[in-house]
Amino acid sequence: DAGVIQSPRHEVTEMGQEVTLRCKPISGHNSLFWYRQTMMRGLELLIYFNNNVPIDDSGMPEDRFSAKMPNASFSTLKIQPSEPRDSAVYFCASSSGGSTNEKLFFGSGTQLSVL
Amino acid sequence: GESVGLHLPTLSVQEGDNSIINCAYSNSASDYFIWYKQESGKGPQFIIDIRSNMDKRQGQRVTVLLNKTVKHLSLQIAATQPGDSAVYFCAEGGYSTLTFGKGTMLLVSP
Repeated sequence: DAGVIQSPRHEVTEMGQEVTLRCKPISGHNSLFWYRQTMMRGLELLIYFNNNVPIDDSGMPEDRFSAKMPNASFSTLKIQPSEPRDSAVYFCASSSGGSTNEKLFFGSGTQLSVL
Repeated sequence: GESVGLHLPTLSVQEGDNSIINCAYSNSASDYFIWYKQESGKGPQFIIDIRSNMDKRQGQRVTVLLNKTVKHLSLQIAATQPGDSAVYFCAEGGYSTLTFGKGTMLLVSP
């Protein structure tokens, strides 16, 4: 299995631009998570889906952030408009269970820099 | 709110030594704990997990200890190797989605 696949690996954009991050979870996994990692705040959960349905989006910073999961093999995280404070590494993870007691498999992340 | 934290931001050891990374958690409702290793430029990688009905679990060269009385979790790495150099995160779950600590950097000198 190729694991969780994220694209792009690096994204550099200017403030105000739209940014779209992509994720392909491990085949057969039914839960998908988006995390953001910064030095100051560590790993923060933004949103997670179970069976393509958003379950908890309380971690989404504000309305500029949105996430979709149109099917079991694809999810996007969009930031519009982007701001410098959004600069971080964004990780997608998936798991095979529907509970919270499951280990997560992480992708390699997208390093986002907003200038 | 309750959170997971780590005592030591950086731990330096010599190759061949045993390493112990500690983690304090504060939510008594947590019943699932997990350790991840993150190498530079990569995503967190699962190491070992433990449920609250256990106090010790062993893997290959790694042992996780859980002390529910003092809400403490530790990761022991035997015969530490340079390849073990990374940031290690503990996380707690069970009542909600996994909550991660800030991480401890392990530096292994040859």
